[in-house]
Amino acid sequence: EVQLVQSGADVKKPGESLKISCKGYGYSFSTYWIAWVRQMPGKGLEWMGIIYPGDSDTKYSPSSQGQVTMSADKSITTAYLQWSSLKASDTAMYYCARIGPERAVDFWGQGTLVTVSS
Amino acid sequence: DIVLTQSPDSLAVSLGERATINCKSSQSVFGGPNNMNYLAWYQQKPGQPPKLLISWASTRASGVPDRFSGSGSGTDFTLTISSLQAEDVAVYYCQQYFGLPPKTFGQGTKVEI
Repeated sequence: EVQLVQSGADVKKPGESLKISCKGYGYSFSTYWIAWVRQMPGKGLEWMGIIYPGDSDTKYSPSSQGQVTMSADKSITTAYLQWSSLKASDTAMYYCARIGPERAVDFWGQGTLVTVSS
Repeated sequence: DIVLTQSPDSLAVSLGERATINCKSSQSVFGGPNNMNYLAWYQQKPGQPPKLLISWASTRASGVPDRFSGSGSGTDFTLTISSLQAEDVAVYYCQQYFGLPPKTFGQGTKVEI
């Protein structure tokens, strides 16, 4: 069974760094793109970018470029999303998701809630 | 970037009645190597991640009830719930996955009873 299991919720202060994770189970992790999607409180879905764990090829949305870093370690079937200096406006639920053979997102992680508050 | 605009933003439908959600794209999402419409629909219930309902504009994902159907081509698409059930209360999003990233989402449509 395909599963994406994300790290738990986190509370940080502005300016702090953070790295959240997404571990894949039940499929060939290296051969499917992983997408990161942001959902701010009470809002819709925003595409942040994608990473191919096989070679760490990464494509960021214009709004995410320079704001976050996506990475992956295929040896432990885990993708990461990290911030070097968080802002209050980064408060959101972050989902990782697999881009399936149909090219749409076919499996989603449970989400990681990131709260940034002083 | 391709912009997707959904209508309406919300709708209230009686149990057993039809619900129709529209998604309009700022440019055609038809084509590519598959000559298909690169358009998906997702359902998000409160407190849950989204769930894929339909890909390629009209292909139901595995396990999705047949009361959900997708139609349209090019720039105009529709998600129809033929007979609304209580468990269908959710926010529905369209998404295009045509061409280069970002693979944008519509703003969402909230369906209530």
